[in-house]
Amino acid sequence: AQKITQTQPGMFVQEKEAVTLDCTYDTSDPSYGLFWYKQPSSGEMIFLIYQGSYDQQNATEGRYSLNFQKARKSANLVISASQLGDSAMYFCAMRELNTGGFKTIFGAGTRLFVKA
Amino acid sequence: DADVTQTPRNRITKTGKRIMLECSQTKGHDRMYWYRQDPGLGLQLIYYSFDVKDINKGEISDGYSVSRQAQAKFSLSLESAIPNQTALYFCAAGQGGNEQFFGPGTRLTVL
Repeated sequence: AQKITQTQPGMFVQEKEAVTLDCTYDTSDPSYGLFWYKQPSSGEMIFLIYQGSYDQQNATEGRYSLNFQKARKSANLVISASQLGDSAMYFCAMRELNTGGFKTIFGAGTRLFVKA
Repeated sequence: DADVTQTPRNRITKTGKRIMLECSQTKGHDRMYWYRQDPGLGLQLIYYSFDVKDINKGEISDGYSVSRQAQAKFSLSLESAIPNQTALYFCAAGQGGNEQFFGPGTRLTVL
């Protein structure tokens, strides 16, 4: 069964607007972590934000915030005030801390295009 | 300075050749990982290691082997490379459950 689902292969957003990238996950482990990574065309993987399953508040890092809805098993990434440099591939990932042995499972990714 | 470095950054080789990809990290992280990424897809875990004496298979370990020679070094080997191993390979390192720092990637082409 697919554990991380990103249903949007591609997204377009106007510069300076906010955009939400969807991610749903599936796990029976009560202890897990959720990650978002950015991969620009140069290929490197850049860590953006982390949310632990027991964290009470949604994670935020600058223009990035993670809309964590535990009951729905969703961990959407919100990018505020999009910039042209935000155009990249974005990956959602999950690590099951009890049963998964700290392996990180990645979704298929969403390609974001920011329009000027 | 980058926490995680990979060498080489690009490699073209022929079918049947033995290839080794090297990974080093400078922060003393216990955990190290090797992933591959195929064009247009997410990352798949090949092998991971929690310390020098610990090696674990990931989702797609067939055709690959690894060696954790020291805490700071984790190498990936393709004993007999085949064309469908053409991919972007990432090494990563981390200490706890919320950490995973990636290297810059190695682009491998098997002809």
